[in-house]
This record gives sequence, structure tokens and C-alpha cells, in this order.
Amino acid sequence: DIVMTQSPDSLAVSLGERATINCKSSQSLLYRSNNNNYLAWYQQKPGQPPKLLIYWASTRESGVPDRFSGSGSGTDFTLTISSLQAEDVAVYYCQQYYSTPRRTFGQGTKVEIK
Amino acid sequence: QVQLRESGPGLVKPSETLSLTCTVSGGSISNYYWTWIRQPPGKGLEWIGYTFYTGSPDYNPSLKSRVTMSLDTSKSQFSLKVTSVTAADTAVYYCVRVSGDYTARPFDYWGQGALVTVSS
Repeated sequence: DIVMTQSPDSLAVSLGERATINCKSSQSLLYRSNNNNYLAWYQQKPGQPPKLLIYWASTRESGVPDRFSGSGSGTDFTLTISSLQAEDVAVYYCQQYYSTPRRTFGQGTKVEIK
Repeated sequence: QVQLRESGPGLVKPSETLSLTCTVSGGSISNYYWTWIRQPPGKGLEWIGYTFYTGSPDYNPSLKSRVTMSLDTSKSQFSLKVTSVTAADTAVYYCVRVSGDYTARPFDYWGQGALVTVSS
């Protein structure tokens, strides 16, 4: 199984400041034949299901604000919220869809307002 | 807009079978993979398995011996059964769409989730 490890487990950021979440996979998620990284990011607010934010490591889902961005390749990935808003308080998960058939998630990173 | 809705008993006794159904509206159930994901209270996400309108389902190896998934295109529904449940199966169960006809894609539409508690 591919193990996904996020850091930190939680972080507190002031409104308007940058939040950065890291995700490391135990093996490369880069499929060389198409140069795509099989990595997605989800946002889960309290009492709600997760919501897809980013896929292919850096492609924003339709309707997702451009303050959310994804980067990285291979085994190391980052989700950045460029200017934290109150509505961004949530738990964020990375997920690999490279390994067939089992899909695995990171343990989650809780983002709060400082 | 695609919508998914889970239904089924919220309380299941230990050693019995958990059964959930997901009803899909606003889009075709064919040509997409569908999956179940669960989340124990206060914990992270666990993928359970995939089903498609053709072929055989794929399951998480850690649950494979106890899980059955099926799909009914005529009703736009897919279902999950987990046998011999224990307290460790207590979780919110989400039905989820894969964003394409290939499993190597992210999960784009999620149901609101159904809390299933295993308790006598």
C-alpha cells in the first residue's frame, strides 16, 4: 500500500495569512507516460462530506477559489491557501489514486484561525 | 447537478450485516465508477471499494472478505453490504462518484453520509 503522510497535523493561521500543508507519499505518484501526478486534495468542513479541491496535484476543481493551489511532484506535495479566510477552517486531506485498486488518504490536517 | 443520497439502518447489531444503498440523481450511473468511503467518528477516511455497471467490483484488501458491492442501473442505485460487523465498523459511510470511467481518477461527488453505529 502507498502510505500518505501529512504535516503538520494541525496549524493555526491568522486571517489573510498563508497556510501550507505538506503531503508525502511512500512511493512516487508520477505516471511518466503522461507526466501526471495522481494526487488530489480535499477539504472537509465540520458535519459535511469532503469536497474535491485539487486533482492531478495542481489542477483546481471548477468553482474552487484561486487562493487554493497545489504543487509538487513524485512523492512530495503541497497545498497552499494564499490568504486564509474564515470559511477555510476545515480538515484537509491528500489522497493518491495511483495505486490500483486501493486508494489511500493522508491522516488529515486541521486548519484553524489564530 | 449530480446528487447522491445514502439510505439504510443507522443501528446494526454486532455480528450482523450492514446494508446501505446510494441513490444517484441528476446524472447517469453508467460510465462512471462508484465507491464507498467510510469515516469513523473523529477519524480519517478509508476507501472501501469500487463498483461499475460492468465487470467485477474491487475491494479494499483489508475488508474484502466481508464486503459486497453491487449496482442497479435501472434504479440508479448502488449498494454496500458488510458482514459480521463489530464496533470498529461504526462510521459515517459516504457514497461517492469517481470522476470518470477509469478508477485512476479523483472523487468528485459525495453524498452527505450515513452514520452507522454497531451496538447491541
